[in-house]
Order: sequence, then structure tokens, then C-alpha cells
Amino acid sequence: EAGVAQSPRYKIIEKRQSVAFWCNPISGHATLYWYQQILGQGPKLLIQFQNNGVVDDSQLPKDRFSAERLKGVDSTLKIQPAKLEDSAVYLCASSPQLATGGTYEQYFGPGTRLTVT
Amino acid sequence: GQNIDQPTEMTATEGAIVQINCTYQTSGFNGLFWYQQHAGEAPTFLSYNVLDGLEEKGRFSSFLSRSKGYSYLLLKVLQMKDSASYLCAVTRDYKLSFGAGTTVTVRA
Repeated sequence: EAGVAQSPRYKIIEKRQSVAFWCNPISGHATLYWYQQILGQGPKLLIQFQNNGVVDDSQLPKDRFSAERLKGVDSTLKIQPAKLEDSAVYLCASSPQLATGGTYEQYFGPGTRLTVT
Repeated sequence: GQNIDQPTEMTATEGAIVQINCTYQTSGFNGLFWYQQHAGEAPTFLSYNVLDGLEEKGRFSSFLSRSKGYSYLLLKVLQMKDSASYLCAVTRDYKLSFGAGTTVTVRA
């Protein structure tokens, strides 16, 4: 079974530029998550999709960040314009479905390491 | 709120045992995950506890006390490859909140 795919793996941009990340979840997984992980910290949830609908985006800085999952499969996360404090690893994860009381393990992709200079 | 606290670093010798504690404060608690993350890699699932008690899986065990807001991950017969960050994550309303992680260094 193929894992969660992300691209690019690394990206270096200057502040005020824009950048986009792509994620392809595990086939059949309805739920997709984007996390931001700053060096030395745990991942922080940015946005959560169930199929092509947003379940939670309360921690997404909506003035500069946007995400979409138009067909309920692939997803893109965009930052425009980028700030220095956006330097982090952006992780995509997927799970079969929202929890119904049982385990809903999240499978993580390799991440995109963003450096804003 | 969901304050999740775990030690920043721990060091142990190969073959030894290490216990990583995690305390949390959250309402609407669903369950608690432990993930392992090697440097530069994605987190990988280790365990999930939803009921009180000990869950054993090979060299790794995880314990949960919901009334105390407390969990620990026990790593037995440490190997060099166990050097990694261990993330405690609490679920509430199907959302996962991570602690900052505990970096475990295994020495020969």
C-alpha cells in the first residue's frame, strides 16, 4: 500500500513570496490533515478535511494560508505572502475516516521543509 | 484547553529501560496516542490508549490514567535505533493535539 505522498520535499523562498505544497493521501482515506511543525515543537493542526469539506480550520492563519481538496483526494496548501516565522516542516496526514469511537490512526507523509529567508 | 507536558530530553544506555511521562489537561478527552519521530522524518504510530490501563506491544508499552490526566510510554531493551523524538498526542472531538516531544538518546 502506497503511503502519503508530498511534494516538494524542500523549498526555500524569500519573505513575501508565495509557495504551494501538494499532498496525495493513502487511497480510500476520507480524512486529510495539514500540520505545521516548527523546529523543536510538536505538529500543530492547521486544517482538517473530511472528503472535500473542511472539518476544522480554526488554527489556519487565513489572511495568508489557504487550502483546498476539491475532489476529495489530493490537497494543496498555499502560503501567500510568506513570513519568516512560516519556516517549518509542513506535514500532511490521512486517516480512513473520522473517529467513531475506535482507533483512527493518522498516517503521515514525509513532509515539506520550508525555509523563508 | 489542552496543555500537554512531557520532558524535553532523556538519555539512556543501550539495553536499559526508559519511561516517558505525559500529562495533559483537556475536556472531551477521546484517547491518547504515542508517535515516534526520527530526525527529519514523519511521525509514525506507536500506540493508542482510550481506556485506563497498560497496552503492551513488543518492547513498547503505553499506560493511561484518565482520572489523573497521565500517560507514559515505556521503552524496554533499548536499541540504538530507538534514538528519536517521542510525541504524546491527545484527541478531542476527533482532533489531535501534540506535545512538544521528548528526545530520547540511546548511548552504547
